[in-house]
Amino acid sequence: AQTVTQSQPEMSVQEAETVTLSCTYDTSENNYYLFWYKQPPSRQMILVIRQEAYKQQNATENRFSVNFQKAAKSFSLKISDSQLGDTAMYFCAFMKHVKRDDKIIFGKGTRLHILP
Amino acid sequence: DAGITQSPRHKVTETGTPVTLRCHQTENHRYMYWYRQDPGHGLRLIHYSYGVKDTDKGEVSDGYSVSRSKTEDFLLTLESATSSQTSVYFCAISRQGDTIYFGEGSWLTVV
Repeated sequence: AQTVTQSQPEMSVQEAETVTLSCTYDTSENNYYLFWYKQPPSRQMILVIRQEAYKQQNATENRFSVNFQKAAKSFSLKISDSQLGDTAMYFCAFMKHVKRDDKIIFGKGTRLHILP
Repeated sequence: DAGITQSPRHKVTETGTPVTLRCHQTENHRYMYWYRQDPGHGLRLIHYSYGVKDTDKGEVSDGYSVSRSKTEDFLLTLESATSSQTSVYFCAISRQGDTIYFGEGSWLTVV
């Protein structure tokens, strides 16, 4: 069974700093997707970034980028120039690219505090 | 924002009563999911659907049933609510099983 592990339950950084959130996963699959979701205090789940396992190039979305290491099964999220609005719970997630078995599996989350 | 509407957004109900949560989407996406979120457990899949009248169980399906008679609607029913079902429930959709988008959540309290 697939598992997703986020080893940092909570982190705090100063505004404008860069922060990296860690995620590791376990799978025997070769084709899959990886995601980072953000959940602010409103509890809305917001997709931050998506990575397809067959693509070697790391995904980026503005200030958000990932470091995808397929062999190491590692998928970290880097937030550059952090802003107060980045304060949220961040979930790493995994989805197999297998029809009818494409349920998304979540890690338990990292609570990120951006300090003024 | 993905066109997903959950109703009701907040509900308090008594133990033993039936409860139905509705998820409505305007995106015509094929896949729909119900998750619950609890402290210490993250998000856990309850049931999911690959299309009209095509549903399957997730990891925490006991005590829940679902129905999907139209592409746009996915209903989650608690046949006889228990206090352990107090949670935040999220509906999610996916066009072709590659990226999942979430609704805003439904807060359910069973007293």
